[in-house]
Amino acid sequence: EDQVTQSPEALRLQEGESSSLNCSYTVSGLRGLFWYRQDPGKGPEFLFTLYSAGEEKEKERLKATLTKKESFLHITAPKPEDSATYLCAVQASIDYGQNFVFGPGTRLSVLP
Amino acid sequence: DARVTQTPRHKVTEMGQEVTMRCQPILGHNTVFWYRQTMMQGLELLAYFRNRAPLDDSGMPKDRFSAEMPDATLATLKIQPSEPRDSAVYFCASGLVGGQYNSPLHFGNGTRLTVT
Repeated sequence: EDQVTQSPEALRLQEGESSSLNCSYTVSGLRGLFWYRQDPGKGPEFLFTLYSAGEEKEKERLKATLTKKESFLHITAPKPEDSATYLCAVQASIDYGQNFVFGPGTRLSVLP
Repeated sequence: DARVTQTPRHKVTEMGQEVTMRCQPILGHNTVFWYRQTMMQGLELLAYFRNRAPLDDSGMPKDRFSAEMPDATLATLKIQPSEPRDSAVYFCASGLVGGQYNSPLHFGNGTRLTVT
């Protein structure tokens, strides 16, 4: 069964204090790993897709990396507006329907 | 920017009542997903459709939940009768998925359901 875990469950950072969020997965052949940001009262908003180990994607203060068992979302010099829940999801390549399985998320708070 | 639209945004109802949630996926997307989100369980898959045909609804309690896609612009999720344990936020998401497609999912802003 495809599974996704995320750590830590919650993270509090001071503005400017860089850190990383972890997403560990087990999947029967990875078709894609997706990172989303979710603000309170909103639906998840797409950030990145990673397809193969070694791949990296960047957007502003965020950088996502991928290995064969996990992905990291690195946040460099975060600002209070980066506060949100960050979700990762995997899509299995052998799953006919190619369902997306989501992790429980990491709640990030960036204090000014 | 194209968006997934969900209605209503909030619904408060009494136990035993029927609830219908609606979703307008992004035009051109071939797959529509229904997820339920709670603090305890996170995002749980309820059902999904490819080209309007149901692919998997194993996440839904069959006796009370039903999902349909009467046309390409409308997906519905119905609960009858509703129970307090159904209280959650229900999300619809759409994407181009399957075959050569590999797009991310785009989510609506959800329907927050409270059953008293």
